[in-house]
Amino acid sequence: SAVISQKPSRDICQRGTSLTIQCQVDSQVTMMFWYRQQPGQSLTLIATANQGSEATYESGFVIDKFPISRPNLTFSTLTVSNMSPEDSSIYLCSVEDPKGTNEKLFFGSGTQLSVL
Amino acid sequence: ELKVEQNPLFLSMQEGKNYTIYCNYSTTSDRLYWYRQDPGKSLESLFVLLSNGAVKQEGRLMASLDTKARLSTLHITAAVHDLSATYFCAVDWGAQKLVFGQGTRLTINP
Repeated sequence: SAVISQKPSRDICQRGTSLTIQCQVDSQVTMMFWYRQQPGQSLTLIATANQGSEATYESGFVIDKFPISRPNLTFSTLTVSNMSPEDSSIYLCSVEDPKGTNEKLFFGSGTQLSVL
Repeated sequence: ELKVEQNPLFLSMQEGKNYTIYCNYSTTSDRLYWYRQDPGKSLESLFVLLSNGAVKQEGRLMASLDTKARLSTLHITAAVHDLSATYFCAVDWGAQKLVFGQGTRLTINP
């Protein structure tokens, strides 16, 4: 399995500011994913981050609002820019199985974001 | 567009009873996941089902996949309180991108 550390675990932010969320994995992985879980809702994929290339965003999500970095095979960041109360959600990173079995996807502990 | 629908969305049951959560999806996929989420926590991987007819069991939980019917089930046997959580199914629509169902909030009462 993969051990995924996310920071911060939670934060309360003011409208108009930005927050960068970090995701650190204990093994090298090719693909990392960022998901959003709005209050009481299911999870929605924001983007896929592969090392060495630009992140690929899903419909409804744009790079200006959610810039992503992937500097190496064990680390990624997601920034939530110019925040509004509608951005209040849990943000989770996810990685493929480091063993390359393509059988499991693992999730980080999540970042609970509240925007005032 | 791939859609994933779970039912029921809310389930309250008594300890010792059996029940099934259903997960229907709209387009072909050969990989389906079940996750558990406790309040305020992240997702715990329960099962990954990779082929038609796949069945996996862990303790009181058993998951199955029928790719022809585009249906997966999560069966709970002799429920215990510790199984209270929200259960999500998720379908891989390519390159390990997941589309999640709405989740089933399961409450097991003594």
